[in-house]
Amino acid sequence: DSGVTQTPKHLITATGQRVTLRCSPRSGDLSVYWYQQSLDQGLQFLIQYYNGEERAKGNILERFSAQQFPDLHSELNLSSLELGDSALYFCASSEGESPTEKLFFGSGTQLSVL
Amino acid sequence: AQTVTQSQPEMSVQEAETVTLSCTYDTSESDYYLFWYKQPPSRQMILVIRQEAYKQQNATENRFSVNFQKAAKSFSLKISDSQLGDAAMYFCAYRSAFYSGGGADGLTFGKGTHLIIQP
Repeated sequence: DSGVTQTPKHLITATGQRVTLRCSPRSGDLSVYWYQQSLDQGLQFLIQYYNGEERAKGNILERFSAQQFPDLHSELNLSSLELGDSALYFCASSEGESPTEKLFFGSGTQLSVL
Repeated sequence: AQTVTQSQPEMSVQEAETVTLSCTYDTSESDYYLFWYKQPPSRQMILVIRQEAYKQQNATENRFSVNFQKAAKSFSLKISDSQLGDAAMYFCAYRSAFYSGGGADGLTFGKGTHLIIQP
């Protein structure tokens, strides 16, 4: 167990809908990262937050947004969902934000868009 | 932009044998980190081993070791005495060491190699 908790584990929804994925980092970790794993694109970095602030952006679509709350949990919001958004979404956390930090991954949320 | 290539979609090895997974990467940076992650059927991403580019010595973790060739931009993973529990997808990943205090880039992953262990 990595200590990173993601909910829900599975999510099934329809095209055009909006969903929210939740991540609780390990105790004491201030950084949260979101990754998407799909058959087409593989594993891609989406966005990073550190202590409530956005710090780095990867290949995140404009329809997607994220935030980190004062209690350090993070939410990834996906809107106007398309079939191609079906993927496994991972959250990872680290104590700090430098590249030397070790990342701990959650078990992911499997999103199916029908 | 950095890229990571894993040219072996699938590898098979007999239990107790040794297997090597290949990874090459492309970057213009001189300082970076390389990783091998394991993803078993449980989907959890598990760090297997990490290499810092400025260290010439190859990293080892028990039965897992790497062959890091910086000039060739090659980073292979050797698994010795393969066990049934080693069966998983293995991902090679790159992370820039550049950090200006404004956040660090996330990991860039390869497409993965599916490792099958034959009993």
